[in-house]
Amino acid sequence: DVKVTQSSRYLVKRTGEKVFLECVQDMDHENMFWYRQDPGLGLRLIYFSYDVKMKEKGDIPEGYSVSREKKERFSLILESASTNQTSMYLCASSGTGPNQPQHFGDGTRLSIL
Amino acid sequence: AQKITQTQPGMFVQEKEAVTLDCTYDTSDQSYGLFWYKQPSSGEMIFLIYQGSYDEQNATEGRYSLNFQKARKSANLVISASQLGDSAMYFCARGPYNQGGKLIFGQGTELSVKP
Repeated sequence: DVKVTQSSRYLVKRTGEKVFLECVQDMDHENMFWYRQDPGLGLRLIYFSYDVKMKEKGDIPEGYSVSREKKERFSLILESASTNQTSMYLCASSGTGPNQPQHFGDGTRLSIL
Repeated sequence: AQKITQTQPGMFVQEKEAVTLDCTYDTSDQSYGLFWYKQPSSGEMIFLIYQGSYDEQNATEGRYSLNFQKARKSANLVISASQLGDSAMYFCARGPYNQGGKLIFGQGTELSVKP
């Protein structure tokens, strides 16, 4: 089974802090994704990556950056956390080709105080 | 913007009955894939079923089937013989036919199964 592991299930940080959310997958997937989930808004894509050292902006990249130095690891960085970044963050990975679903981690519930 | 619409914010179904969750999508692409995910209260997103735009048969996976009507741009999820463990949020999503690109998600439908 595909395993996508997010480093923290719950995280509390302060406004202005630099926050790192880590995601690791064990299936040698090329593609990795970061979403945030807010009530009534569904999942919104922040950034994604098709390969090591490659990244592309999703729909809501402002205030975030990402890093993919190794194929299995995709990090989301909040450069200077703000209260409006309090949310559930979900990481996903997928292979390529038809019927290759994205496999998700358990999510990180991040609170910025 | 290309959009996924799930018009039912919440639904109830009696245990052992079938239920249909609606999903319509907006796209000008000829080639795309449609996905359904389940999210229990614990938070993880679980992949349920996939339908490719070129697939002529409706997809089925166990108790899940996808009622795909391409001309209407709808991809409704049918759950047969509902179980209490089916209570969860359900999300419809659209992505490229060759999955590797981003998914666009609907807002979700919260399904509650009554005993």
